[in-house]
Order: sequence, then structure tokens, then C-alpha cells
Amino acid sequence: EDKVVQSPLSLVVHEGDTVTLNCSYEVTNFRSLLWYKQEKKAPTFLFMLTSSGIEKKSGRLSSILDKKELFSILNITATQTGDSAVYLCAVDSNYQLIWGAGTKLIIKP
Amino acid sequence: DGGITQSPKYLFRKEGQNVTLSCEQNLNHDAMYWYRQDPGQGLRLIYYSQIVNDFQKGDIAEGYSVSREKKESFPLTVTSAQKNPTAFYLCASSDTGYTEAFFGQGTRLTVV
Repeated sequence: EDKVVQSPLSLVVHEGDTVTLNCSYEVTNFRSLLWYKQEKKAPTFLFMLTSSGIEKKSGRLSSILDKKELFSILNITATQTGDSAVYLCAVDSNYQLIWGAGTKLIIKP
Repeated sequence: DGGITQSPKYLFRKEGQNVTLSCEQNLNHDAMYWYRQDPGQGLRLIYYSQIVNDFQKGDIAEGYSVSREKKESFPLTVTSAQKNPTAFYLCASSDTGYTEAFFGQGTRLTVV
């Protein structure tokens, strides 16, 4: 059975800290891994990763994929209160997205 | 503006009633999806449609029904057979062959 596991489930840090969120997966036919940010309602797209070892970067956020060890990390540096959200990881397996439970990140001022 | 519109944002239903959640997109996407999200859980796929007049069950289709008569529209009906319908429902769409999904703002359904 395809599955995606995110850790930690929740995380509380202070503004300015750096955080690393983890996503591991076991799927039958990996095509890509995606990260989304969900603040209140609709998840918004952050990154799509298809190749191992190539970092994707957007401002203070970056992500990398390891297809040998079957995981990805999402890094956020110099966190701000606006980074507080649930971060969702999804893996495309046979054109279906398999979702993790998410990591709830709380940034304290 | 291009996007996905879900309505209503909040919906209350009495036990035993069917309700229909609306999802409309003007992104010209072929594929549309319905997900359910419960507290502390990820998204679970209810139904998806890759093309007009065709749809497939997802992981938790029991108690739900859909139709895809138009490319732009993919309504979800929560029937009385769904035993625990209180949840947050998200509709999404994507281009065929592309993974990235675009989401609506969701409908929060509460059974009273």
C-alpha cells in the first residue's frame, strides 16, 4: 500500500529559528514529490521534486529529494510568524497524489 | 481571475439528508478531484475525474457520488449513507499529465 509519512506532526519554534520538515514515502510508481503550505483553507503549491539531490529554492524555503532513501526535507530558514501553517507533502504515484498527514508549524514571535 | 471556486464555504446538514457541494474551475483543466480532510490528517481522495463524463472512485468513495457533465464543474454529493460526513472538503484540478494540483478554498460540512 502506498504511504507518505511526515514528521514531526507538530513543531513550535521561535521567530528566526531554522526548521527542517521531513517526508518519507513508499509508493509503487514514484513520479514526483510535492510540498504544499496550508494556512487556513486551500493548500498552496511550494515545490515539485523529481530528481535526487537537486535543491529547489524559493526565498527562505528550500527542499531536496533523496530517491534512494525515499525521503524529502523542507527547510525554512529565518522563520517568520507568517510561516505558521500546516505543511503537506504529497507523492505522485501513477498519477495519483498520496498525501501525508502534514506537519503543523507554529512560529512564536 | 482564473481559479477554482467552491461553494458554500460552510454547510450544515441534518442527519439523513443529502447535500451537494459545488466546485467550478475556469483553468481549462481536464482533471478534477475531491478530497476530504479531517483534523490531524492529510488529504484523502474521494473521487477524481480525468475527463468529462468519466470519473473514478478514490480511497473513500463510499457514501459519496459525483458527476462530470461539464469540464468546468465537478459537484460532490454527500449522501445519507456517509456515516461520518462532518469534515473539510477540498476540490482540486490539474492539467492532464501534470502533477501540480490547484485547490479551491474548501467547504466545511457539519452534520447537526
